Amino acid sequence: EDQVTQSPEALRLQEGESSSLNCSYTVSGLRGLFWYRQDPGKGPEFLFTLYSAGEEKEKERLKATLTKKESFLHITAPKPEDSATYLCAVHLSSGANNLFFGTGTRLTVIP
Amino acid sequence: GAGVSQSPSNKVTEKGKDVELRCDPISGHTALYWYRQSLGQGLEFLIYFQGNSAPDKSGLPSDRFSAERTGGSVSTLTIQRTQQEDSAVYLCASSLASGSSTEAFFGQGTRLTVV
Repeated sequence: EDQVTQSPEALRLQEGESSSLNCSYTVSGLRGLFWYRQDPGKGPEFLFTLYSAGEEKEKERLKATLTKKESFLHITAPKPEDSATYLCAVHLSSGANNLFFGTGTRLTVIP
Repeated sequence: GAGVSQSPSNKVTEKGKDVELRCDPISGHTALYWYRQSLGQGLEFLIYFQGNSAPDKSGLPSDRFSAERTGGSVSTLTIQRTQQEDSAVYLCASSLASGSSTEAFFGQGTRLTVV
């Protein structure tokens, strides 16, 4: 059975305290892995797409990496405005058309 | 507009009534998705449209749910005889294509409350 698991469920960081969010997946075949950010009351906002193991993408304080079993979203020196829920989704190569989402990590950055 | 637009943003309806939710995708995007997000839950896939192909309805939870996409653009999600468990945020997303696994862009969602 295809599964996407995100950890931790919630994370509280002091401003400037770097950390990583994890997205582990067990799927029959991966076409792409996506990271989204979701603020309360809003739709998910696209951050990154990763296609193959070893790939890395960066945007401001965020860096996403991918291995054959998991992806990490590294947050360097976070600011309070980075507080949000971060969602991971996989696009399967099995023919399924949908993105299969994890339940997210709720990040709170304290000033 | 530049992004995916959904309407209404909020909808309160009585149990047993029918509701229609609308999605205007990004111009030129051929793929369109509907998802449902319940409080504290992940996004649940409902239905997928790609161009003129038959939609993938595999995620629809019951026959009370249906969706159509007219002219390859605007989509409407209809829920008949609404139940309290239908209360959720309904999110629409669009992307250039599914085959190349391009990123999907989401609208702000419609918050449905069934009372």
